[in-house]
Amino acid sequence: GAVVSQHPSWVICKSGTSVKIECRSLDFQATTMFWYRQFPKQSLMLMATSNEGSKATYEQGVEKDKFLINHASLTLSTLTVTSAHPEDSSFYICSAPPTSARYNEQFFGPGTRLTVL
Amino acid sequence: AQSVAQPEDQVNVAEGNPLTVKCTYSVSGNPYLFWYVQYPNRGLQFLLKYITGDNLVKGSYGFEAEFNKSQTSFHLKKPSALVSDSALYFCAVRDNQAGNNRKLIWGLGTSLAVNP
Repeated sequence: GAVVSQHPSWVICKSGTSVKIECRSLDFQATTMFWYRQFPKQSLMLMATSNEGSKATYEQGVEKDKFLINHASLTLSTLTVTSAHPEDSSFYICSAPPTSARYNEQFFGPGTRLTVL
Repeated sequence: AQSVAQPEDQVNVAEGNPLTVKCTYSVSGNPYLFWYVQYPNRGLQFLLKYITGDNLVKGSYGFEAEFNKSQTSFHLKKPSALVSDSALYFCAVRDNQAGNNRKLIWGLGTSLAVNP
């Protein structure tokens, strides 16, 4: 199957700083990528849909100025958590459905564990 | 409203026994259904999907799922469970109201514990 990478796999930062997480599709193109947040032993919460060449679409209740999304190319989307606070600590996962009509499923990155001190 | 329900938070089964993880859905139009597995501190791995065709779908790691239109269900099954199957399982359906974004609607997940 198709491969999605995330970087970094974990990050610890101080409160008030910003953290950037990258999501890359390694062997396919994706005009759309999704960013999720997951709390321990809980389901996925969709935060936003990242669209290549246009603005991201945020889910209700997600602050777009706090979680900045940039879909710079057909293989790269970034999520920047600005002015991070301890309550932003979570597991962030990206996914990408390949543009090719061969695929209907999404492929997921391995996730990024963010800890804000 | 479109939704996915996984009625069991946790399923326990003995190694070697058959396992079933339940999923029911509600969606407008034809359902595109998926199962994913998540191991601790990892992303999700695709297991199998139903788009059209045979109601019994076979996937990775010996898993299969049966699409039942009348019961709007898509239960995940495996004839003989392994300890290594212990993980979190998610059922999802494509949001048919979301245009071409391929957005998914997720169940809350079922934690499977296979006991040796």
